[in-house]
Amino acid sequence: QKEVEQDPGPLSVPEGAIVSLNCTYSNSAFQYFMWYRQYSRKGPELLMYTYSSGNKEDGRFTAQVDKSSKYISLFIRDSQPSDSATYLCAMSAIGYGQNFVFGPGTRLSVLP
Amino acid sequence: GAVVSQHPSRVICKSGTSVKIECRSLDFQATTMFWYRQFPKQSLMLMATSNEGSKATYEQGVEKDKFLINHASLTLSTLTVTSAHPEDSSFYICSGSLIRGGYTFGSGTRLTVV
Repeated sequence: QKEVEQDPGPLSVPEGAIVSLNCTYSNSAFQYFMWYRQYSRKGPELLMYTYSSGNKEDGRFTAQVDKSSKYISLFIRDSQPSDSATYLCAMSAIGYGQNFVFGPGTRLSVLP
Repeated sequence: GAVVSQHPSRVICKSGTSVKIECRSLDFQATTMFWYRQFPKQSLMLMATSNEGSKATYEQGVEKDKFLINHASLTLSTLTVTSAHPEDSSFYICSGSLIRGGYTFGSGTRLTVV
């Protein structure tokens, strides 16, 4: 079993839809969770980061962590074509910028 | 703020030659820089972690003599792929850790070895 699992997609949604992106993990020691957005041929861009369980909201994005289920989610409200990208989850047991494990990424297409 | 400038963005080189990739932190001091490789349809794979002024720590399976990392200053880290071969063709990305959490990535380098 891979440490971090993520549905690779592609996921296609109409503009304005609510998008739910998810990752599951097996290592209960993970405490630091992040979501990155990667446009084609570009480096990943940090979207959000959370520590331990709970929700965090930033504009149209909401990150949710359920440590009991080893499950994290990223919700995108009012999705836009510019949100079309690959979304990667990443997590660490030690801290930000340390010993991260990335999911393989989910490719999202938001159709106008 | 917190920008990492990486170049070149694309490079094509002949098999057996060496290629140097540079990452510069433009408005922050990157005490720690990470180097990743990404093969098509796969996630980022950490290659090594470098701290300014000390030797890099390589992940298991990464040849340190092939992938030379230098982090001589707080604003510059380089990765040199020595004696490159076609199987080294990949997307290489650096990132610097941020005090506020997370890290910021360079824009990546597409290496093609022919």
